[in-house]
Amino acid sequence: NAGVIQTPRHKVTGKGQEATLWCEPISGHSAVFWYRQTIVQGLEFLTYFRNQAPIDDSGMPKERFSAQMPNQSHSTLKIQSTQPQDSAVYLCASSPYRDNYAEQFFGPGTRLTVL
Amino acid sequence: AQKVTQTQTSISVVEKTTVTMDCVYETRDSSYFLFWYKQTASGEIVFLIRQDSYKKENATVGHYSLNFQKPKSSIGLIITATQIEDSAVYFCAMREDNNNNAPRFGAGTKLSVKP
Repeated sequence: NAGVIQTPRHKVTGKGQEATLWCEPISGHSAVFWYRQTIVQGLEFLTYFRNQAPIDDSGMPKERFSAQMPNQSHSTLKIQSTQPQDSAVYLCASSPYRDNYAEQFFGPGTRLTVL
Repeated sequence: AQKVTQTQTSISVVEKTTVTMDCVYETRDSSYFLFWYKQTASGEIVFLIRQDSYKKENATVGHYSLNFQKPKSSIGLIITATQIEDSAVYFCAMREDNNNNAPRFGAGTKLSVKP
C-alpha cells in the first residue's frame, strides 16, 4: 500500500500566480480531507470530501481557494492569485469507511512557498 | 462546534521516564472519537492511539496510553519509558460521530526526549 500520495512535494510560486496541489488517497478510502499547517496557525482544517462529494468546506478561505474530487483516485486543491500568506504545508489525509471514517492517514504534504 | 485545546507548547524529559501530555476538548455531541497523532521531524504525521467516547476503559497501544476523563472533557496521552525517538510534536484531535464533521486538531505539544 503506497499510502497517501501528494504532488508536488514542494512548489514555489510568484505572488499572483495559481497553484494546484494534487492528492491521491489510499485505494479504497472514501473520505479525503485537506489541511493547512503553519507555525502560527497549526493544523487548520480546510475541506472534506466523502465518496467524492463535498461535505464540509467550512475551513476554506472564501476567496481564491477551491477543491475538487473528480474521481475516487484523486483530489485537487487550487489556489488562485497566490499571496505570501498562503505559504504553508498543505496536507491531504484519507480515511476508510471503517468506524465512520474515524482514523486518518496523512500524506507527506506539499510545501507551498509564495514569493 | 468542535474545539480542541493543548496548552502545553513544549515538554522536555529525560529518556526512560514517563510523560503526560494534556488535551481538553469541547463538543455538544454525546458520541465522538478522540485521537493522538505524532508528527516527526520529517513532517510525517502518524496515528498513534484512539479513544471512543462510549468506552470507559482507557486505550493502550504499546507504550502509549490514554487518560480519558469524560466529565472533564479531557484526554491525556501518557508515554511510558520514553525513548529518544519519541521526540516529536504530538497532536490531539477530535471527531464528532457525525459523517458530516471532519476531525479538528489541537495546536500540538513538542516533546523533546534527552539522554
